[in-house]
This record gives sequence, C-alpha cells and structure tokens, in this order.
Amino acid sequence: NAGVTQTPKFRILKIGQSMTLQCAQDMNHNYMYWYRQDPGMGLKLIYYSVGAGITDKGEVPNGYNVSRSTTEDFPLRLELAAPSQTSVYFCASSYSRPLQYFGPGTRLLVL
Amino acid sequence: TQLLEQSPQFLSIQEGENLTVYCNSSSVFSSLQWYRQEPGEGPVLLVTVVTGGEVKKLKRLTFQFGDARKDSSLHITAAQPGDTGLYLCAGVGDSSYKLIFGSGTRLLVRP
Repeated sequence: NAGVTQTPKFRILKIGQSMTLQCAQDMNHNYMYWYRQDPGMGLKLIYYSVGAGITDKGEVPNGYNVSRSTTEDFPLRLELAAPSQTSVYFCASSYSRPLQYFGPGTRLLVL
Repeated sequence: TQLLEQSPQFLSIQEGENLTVYCNSSSVFSSLQWYRQEPGEGPVLLVTVVTGGEVKKLKRLTFQFGDARKDSSLHITAAQPGDTGLYLCAGVGDSSYKLIFGSGTRLLVRP
C-alpha cells in the first residue's frame, strides 16, 4: 500500500491564482481530512469528509473548497490565493476515527 | 473552544538524559493521541490513550493520560538522537471526527 499520497510536494503561487492540492489514499478509509500547519504550530483542520459525497468544515475553512467524489480522492481547492495561505498542507485518512494516517505534505508559498 | 497547550515549546538535551513533555487542557477529551513529526514529513501516530489514568509504554517512551482526561504527559528515558523531532498531542474534540492539536514540543537530542 502507498498509504496517503499528496501532490505536488511544493508550489509557489502568485496572489489571486488558483490551484488544487491532490490527496489520495489506497487503504479504503472512509474518513479523510485536510490540515494546515503554520511554522512552529500544530495542525488546524480545514475540511473533513466522512465518506464519498459528504464533506464538512473544520476550524479554518475560509478560502478553501473540497469535494469527495470517490472514496480514494479528496482534493483541496484554493480559489484566490492569499499570503495568509502560505503553509504546509497535510491530508490524512482514517478507518476507525480518530486514528489518522498522514500524507507527506504539500508546502505552499503565496507571493 | 477546546484548546491543548504543550510545554515546553522547545527542549534541547544531551543523549542519555530523561525528559517529560506535557499536554494540558481545561476541557475533557474522550481520548488523546501523541504524534511525532520529522522535518519534511507528516505526523506519525505513536499512541492513543483512552482511559483516565491510563499508562502506555512504547520502548523508552511512557505516555500517561490524566485521571480527569484533561491532560497527558510523554516521558522519554535515556533519550537518543533518533528521538529528535516535533512531538504533537491531539485530543478528540466535541465531534469525534476531529482532532484538536497542541502547538507541539520540538525536541533536539544532542549526541
């Protein structure tokens, strides 16, 4: 099993640009999550999904959107990138809540 | 709002020393997890504690959940350079889908 995979690993965006962070898991987990981690800080939940077609907001959802059309994939969309969205983004999945497996992260820099 | 505070924020010790990291809250959690994160990687789950007063051991690491389920500690005996990393505690919040993360303790073990 590859576990949780994320692409890209690193991206630089200009203010106002859009992008999609990809996340996939091959463990047949129902639960998937997106977190952001700012320097020296813990992780904050952006969005989560309890199954295909079901998503809900976490602590810091503003500026982001998600979709969950399949069990495997949970992309995170940034529509109008802002400097405040510079962060490291982690995707996670779990079979039995709240046990979570994390991906390697996407480092995003918005200039 | 449920919050978790970790202390110390940073710890630099010599190989062979013992250390304790604390995770405190004014809220009750149904369970609490400890993760270790290495630079450039996602957090990796070390342990989950569920019962108040529970003690779990993982080789040289001892985890304890407070009797009131509001706090936890991680004790490392005879620290080794391989223990270096960011240690994060995370509590299961109001919704059992969500983890509330502490800000982390960055540990450096010098050879």
